Amino acid sequence: GNSVTQMEGPVTLSEEAFLTINCTYTATGYPSLFWYVQYPGEGLQLLLKATKADDKGSNKGFEATYRKETTSFHLEKGSVQVSDSAVYFCALGTYNFNKFYFGSGTKLNVKP
Amino acid sequence: GAVVSQHPSWVICKSGTSVKIECRSLDFQATTMFWYRQFPKQSLMLMATSNEGSKATYEQGVEKDKFLINHASLTLSTLTVTSAHPEDSSFYICSAARTSGGSSYEQYFGPGTRLTVT
Repeated sequence: GNSVTQMEGPVTLSEEAFLTINCTYTATGYPSLFWYVQYPGEGLQLLLKATKADDKGSNKGFEATYRKETTSFHLEKGSVQVSDSAVYFCALGTYNFNKFYFGSGTKLNVKP
Repeated sequence: GAVVSQHPSWVICKSGTSVKIECRSLDFQATTMFWYRQFPKQSLMLMATSNEGSKATYEQGVEKDKFLINHASLTLSTLTVTSAHPEDSSFYICSAARTSGGSSYEQYFGPGTRLTVT
């Protein structure tokens, strides 16, 4: 079946620290992988995506590489800012986009 | 581009009444829209998949008669919570799927609707 597992939060970092949020998946077929970000009281915003193995998605300093051999899509950022504080969701989308499967979300707190 | 709106952004209703939530794709056509429910500090739970011109597909455990979904056009889907009860209080989020070349696609999410049933 399809599922997504994310590291539990909250993750608390100081400004300019390096960020890694782990995400692994199980899937049938060839899914696309996504990271979404949710700010307090808002809906989800697409942060980045990768549609096939070895693709690297990047946006706003965040990066994630689609690793088929380790079934992972870890989110990284070299230097976080206070404004990055939010909840991050890893998601898997099936080929015919019948469904998206979301991880449980990881809350990131960045302190000045 | 790829903006999805929801209306209302928040609503308070009395127990036993019905509430309709609209989801619109503003600048693209979406043959498929999705409705999610999010509990506090939890992930999104897919409730149903809505295809334009056909009946919605509900996830296991979601009551079809309670959560009525209508996808009347390529830019509008509605979720009606019928005979609402306090346990239906939640954050409801819709999304619209758009292809982005070949087999690639993305889901664009609305800002969500906070429903409180008193």
